[in-house]
Amino acid sequence: AQTVTQSQPEMSVQEAETVTLSCTYDTSENNYYLFWYKQPPSRQMILVIRQEAYKQQNATENRFSVNFQKAAKSFSLKISDSQLGDTAMYFCALNAGGTSYGKLTFGQGTILTVHP
Amino acid sequence: GAGVSQTPSNKVTEKGKYVELRCDPISGHTALYWYRQSLGQGPEFLIYFQGTGAADDSGLPNDRFFAVRPEGSVSTLKIQRTERGDSAVYLCASSLQDRETQYFGPGTRLLVL
Repeated sequence: AQTVTQSQPEMSVQEAETVTLSCTYDTSENNYYLFWYKQPPSRQMILVIRQEAYKQQNATENRFSVNFQKAAKSFSLKISDSQLGDTAMYFCALNAGGTSYGKLTFGQGTILTVHP
Repeated sequence: GAGVSQTPSNKVTEKGKYVELRCDPISGHTALYWYRQSLGQGPEFLIYFQGTGAADDSGLPNDRFFAVRPEGSVSTLKIQRTERGDSAVYLCASSLQDRETQYFGPGTRLLVL
């Protein structure tokens, strides 16, 4: 079975500062994918960043980057130069393959509030 | 291009009634997924289609829930004899192929009174 754990129910940050959201996961598969999704109050789930487990290099997308520690099964998201529009619920998700081929397993989410 | 669309946006029904929720995926996407999201929680997997067939329906909670995708494009999630515990946001996602990035629709908020 696959599990994803986000241990920070809520986080806050000042505009223009940097914040890191934590995520740990568990799977017995070797070829898996990890994602961070953002869900603002509008309810639309938006992809932030994706990481393939076989890639050692950490993924980056503009102000968003990850720290992928495969041995520790850790996948944190760093948001630099935080903006008011980053305020949302953030979900870490795992696509583990194997018998779970195709489906995403989500964490419980972290509510991020960016203050002006 | 157009993203994933879902109709209706909101649905209010009474306990015991039948409801249908529709998902229109991104054109050309062969894989389609349904998830259920309770308030303050992460989405939970319900069912996944590859083309017209259900590749994995292990997340459907019971036999009151059923989904179809007859032509490999639009999908309908059907819930019979609705219960108050079925109240949630139902999210649909599609991807170009299996294991590719999933793109989500805006969801349907279902409220069972």
